[in-house]
Amino acid sequence: DQQVKQNSPSLSVQEGRISILNCDYTNSMFDYFLWYKKYPAEGPTFLISISSIKDKNEDGRFTVFLNKSAKHLSLHIVPSQPGDSAVYFCAADYMGRRALTFGSGTRLQVQP
Amino acid sequence: ETGVTQSPTHLIKTRGQQVTLRCSSQSGHNTVSWYQQALGQGPQFIFQYYREEENGRGNFPPRFSGLQFPNYSSELNVNALELDDSALYLCASSSGGNSYEQYFGPGTRLTVT
Repeated sequence: DQQVKQNSPSLSVQEGRISILNCDYTNSMFDYFLWYKKYPAEGPTFLISISSIKDKNEDGRFTVFLNKSAKHLSLHIVPSQPGDSAVYFCAADYMGRRALTFGSGTRLQVQP
Repeated sequence: ETGVTQSPTHLIKTRGQQVTLRCSSQSGHNTVSWYQQALGQGPQFIFQYYREEENGRGNFPPRFSGLQFPNYSSELNVNALELDDSALYLCASSSGGNSYEQYFGPGTRLTVT
């Protein structure tokens, strides 16, 4: 049973445009959500997180939106840059366990 | 500030053998978690160590075991290796308190033949 789902295996956008990566979850206990970026041959790199008490968190070009009623979150990257090309993972946690449940990832390709 | 490091980078073992993977946590981080990432999937939580004690475990059999040392470095041991154990093994450290972000090492690629 996949508790965190990223239904789009891949996404291609033009440089300068917005990239929107989506994530759905089923476990109502999740109260903390994180996005990680992964390049080949490297470990995941933390990007941005959001607590369930918020519906939006912004850090530079990255914004995460959380819709608790829909059990849905999204990562917006504006403007997209070729260096953003990587696999993006959505992850969730609850009660501060620090035992993350990951989605299967979305491969983002930003075309110059 | 030194990040999370893991050794070795790559490893090839034969089915039935045992393997030990190592992780040095980021400076100041007292919690270490291990994850297994199979090809094409997201990382799966194996277990976590906090102050040298196992502090949570995912859906992995007992042949996956670990240790954490007083300097917060950690080992993952896998006994009786199976072909399906072939994966990227990731170590992540976190500082505890109000910070929930985990910081990952580059991983160890284990191939079981």
